[in-house]
Amino acid sequence: VHLLDSGGGLVQPGGSLRLSCAASGFTFSSLAMSWVRQAPGKGLEWVSGISGNGANRNYADSVKGRFTISRDNAENTLYLQMSSLRAEDTAVYYCATGQEKFHSWGQGTLVTVSS
Amino acid sequence: DIQMTQSPSTLSASVGDRVTITCRASQSISTWLAWYQQKPGKAPKILIYKASSLESGVPSRFSGSGSGTEFTLTISSLQPDDFATYYCQQYNDYPRTFGQGTKLEIK
Repeated sequence: VHLLDSGGGLVQPGGSLRLSCAASGFTFSSLAMSWVRQAPGKGLEWVSGISGNGANRNYADSVKGRFTISRDNAENTLYLQMSSLRAEDTAVYYCATGQEKFHSWGQGTLVTVSS
Repeated sequence: DIQMTQSPSTLSASVGDRVTITCRASQSISTWLAWYQQKPGKAPKILIYKASSLESGVPSRFSGSGSGTEFTLTISSLQPDDFATYYCQQYNDYPRTFGQGTKLEIK
């Protein structure tokens, strides 16, 4: 299993960003996937999860209505579309396999929200 | 939301010591609990799931126990590679929630 997170960067408050997670080494469409974030020097926070076929999606209250999780099973890629970004969204974002426990993780991509 | 509280927040120990970290849930989560290890600058790594099931490839010195609201992670004989931060996580309900972490330091 290999997960490669990308798409992070510096964005102004109120801006948007799309994160990607390229998956390989397993049958991507058969596994639920999630995003988990970690603010600098802080603990882990689950952000969102999606079922294998994309039909079932869940979000943390802190991002509901601003973030959208999606997946392209033909391209073996997971996405997180983030909009109306706030300073408190600054974190390393990890994709992970599963929606319950998280067995495999990407290396993380840093999102910094600042003017 | 289900709150997960770990104790202690920091633990100082020596190589060869037996250490235990406790995780308490604000309501019953049956055995829907996982433990992770995280080293600085790295992604977390799952150690234990369903409270006591050892993830494949994880050394047998790690063990988990508990059910309901109280859980423990035990390392039977600390090795140099074990000094890291440990997190518990419940998956009984949404949102999935983590404990605040326990930093295991070298004494």
